[in-house]
Amino acid sequence: SQQGEEDPQALSIQEGENATMNCSYKTSINNLQWYRQNSGRGLVHLILIRSNEREKHSGRLRVTLDTSKKSSSLLITASRAADTASYFCATDGWDSSYKLIFGSGTRLLVRP
Amino acid sequence: GAVVSQHPSWVICKSGTSVKIECRSLDFQATTMFWYRQFPKQSLMLMATSNEGSKATYEQGVEKDKFLINHASLTLSTLTVTSAHPEDSSFYICSARRLAGEEQFFGPGTRLTVL
Repeated sequence: SQQGEEDPQALSIQEGENATMNCSYKTSINNLQWYRQNSGRGLVHLILIRSNEREKHSGRLRVTLDTSKKSSSLLITASRAADTASYFCATDGWDSSYKLIFGSGTRLLVRP
Repeated sequence: GAVVSQHPSWVICKSGTSVKIECRSLDFQATTMFWYRQFPKQSLMLMATSNEGSKATYEQGVEKDKFLINHASLTLSTLTVTSAHPEDSSFYICSARRLAGEEQFFGPGTRLTVL
């Protein structure tokens, strides 16, 4: 089953602009992770934020987490054409199974 | 480090045949491996959790007799799609987790097409 929704489903921006993607989830979590997937390829882990953290940075990526609203956002600054991909959030619950439940994903297109 | 491979990367088979997909952790021992299925333009759906030396745990709605999972060693898990039908055509992705590790490392995926 899917944990939640991501919005927007699709996003088209110009190179150099910032891209923001949002993720909502339904149950309590241990951590939330963001992944990137190029078309027809495997997943690349971008960043993990724990339930007791509110914000995390990695290069041009900034992730926020609001556990009271059960939501997270991924901001990509100064986007590049190479950032074109699908982005998924995934939640790891407290049941110690380490299962990841993925959101519906955002397809990002960065126009050169 | 933390590389996961899948074999084959793609496979085309006739309806009714069985297909085996391998997932290997190349440079670490994976106590747990996960199998996902992804239909075009959709998200990943967890199919089952595979622990080394024990039976796999399947998600609700996933037929265990159709999708046989074996995790015989700490570096290898296999998914066998038995009596495959066109509706089983999908992108199958595995991931592996180290003991005491939070992060999952994903394989490159296997595209299955059933004619």
